[in-house]
Amino acid sequence: GESVGLHLPTLSVQEGDNSIINCAYSNSASDYFIWYKQESGKGPQFIIDIRSNMDKRQGQRVTVLLNKTVKHLSLQIAATQPGDSAVYFCAENIGGGSNYKLTFGKGTLLTVNP
Amino acid sequence: DTAVSQTPKYLVTQMGNDKSIKCEQNLGHDTMYWYKQDSKKFLKIMFSYNNKELIINETVPNRFSPKSPDKAHLNLHINSLELGDSAVYFCASSPSSRAGYTFGSGTRLTVV
Repeated sequence: GESVGLHLPTLSVQEGDNSIINCAYSNSASDYFIWYKQESGKGPQFIIDIRSNMDKRQGQRVTVLLNKTVKHLSLQIAATQPGDSAVYFCAENIGGGSNYKLTFGKGTLLTVNP
Repeated sequence: DTAVSQTPKYLVTQMGNDKSIKCEQNLGHDTMYWYKQDSKKFLKIMFSYNNKELIINETVPNRFSPKSPDKAHLNLHINSLELGDSAVYFCASSPSSRAGYTFGSGTRLTVV
């Protein structure tokens, strides 16, 4: 089976609140993780990534946390806006060299209420 | 400029037909991919090519045949289309080292 999964398939928040999307992975050899945002009718869009030698990385309004002990990844979105409404995927790197591929989790639908 | 472009965006066809989806990237990336996204939004890798060479084939039926004429193009040909082939197909590219993928906008294939 797939090694990347999500705890919550849907998340509904009020505009201005902070959002937290969680992801569990089972492959302890994974060393690179990415969060993607997919809006309706579009392809997945890169948000932020983190390598396994880090436990936190911040971007603009987004923070990714990595807990290798429990194989858990989270995406925090500050001051969530209606434009953040989308499906969010975590992806895990498996393989090395030219066999590099990303395995995607099931996705979480984030809905931001005005 | 669109970094990864796919054509067509929509494709409706009858069972048994043969169809192709084209993909081009202008990012200079060495590796290209095809992913299939089902109705539950699950994204699954189908193929990857590195510099025109097939690297990954994820037990996709032989009816699916990717072709990479050069490292900027990766096309997907599907023979004898079946109802279960209906999905959104995404092309993506990445540098050869570990890095995020850049995805195209997808091709929604509907087999009737």
